[in-house]
Amino acid sequence: AQTVTQSQPEMSVQEAETVTLSCTYDTSESDYYLFWYKQPPSRQMILVIRQEAYKQQNATENRFSVNFQKAAKSFSLKISDSQLGDAAMYFCAYRNVRGSTLGRLYFGRGTQLTVWP
Amino acid sequence: ETGVTQSPTHLIKTRGQQVTLRCSSQSGHNTVSWYQQALGQGPQFIFQYYREEENGRGNFPPRFSGLQFPNYSSELNVNALELDDSALYLCASSLGTNNNEQFFGPGTRLTVL
Repeated sequence: AQTVTQSQPEMSVQEAETVTLSCTYDTSESDYYLFWYKQPPSRQMILVIRQEAYKQQNATENRFSVNFQKAAKSFSLKISDSQLGDAAMYFCAYRNVRGSTLGRLYFGRGTQLTVWP
Repeated sequence: ETGVTQSPTHLIKTRGQQVTLRCSSQSGHNTVSWYQQALGQGPQFIFQYYREEENGRGNFPPRFSGLQFPNYSSELNVNALELDDSALYLCASSLGTNNNEQFFGPGTRLTVL
């Protein structure tokens, strides 16, 4: 079974600074999707960024970018110019692109990000 | 476009009781997935419904069951509640079971006493 590991239970950053959240995963598949989700206190899970494993180019969405290292099975999220509204729990997630487990997301345990003014 | 909604927001039950949680999928979506998020954990996949049929199940006992209706809304039923069932239950809707994005609802917080 696929596993997703987030080794940083908590991280903090000063407003306007940059922070990197780490994620590693385990899979025997060669093609898959990776995601970072944000869960604010409102509890609603919001997609931040998505990476297809077959793409070598790292995904970028405005202030959010990833460092995808397929051989190392590493998928970190970089938040630039941090804002107070970025404070939330961040989850790394994995999904297969084929097979019986196609539709399910596998999540890590999350990293709680605090942003200081 | 209406987003994913869930009801109720909060629920308190006692051990041994049964509970039904509801999810309305986003307009145009025909697939609903349910996840259980225990305190301090990431969400865990319970099962998925596609066009009213169960389409994949995680490692949850049979007392967790579900339904999907013709309008693609869905219910999660849990029988014989246990203390460990206390969690946030999230549903997510998507268009199809392939690689389209899953949109999450705000969740139902279930407390079992």
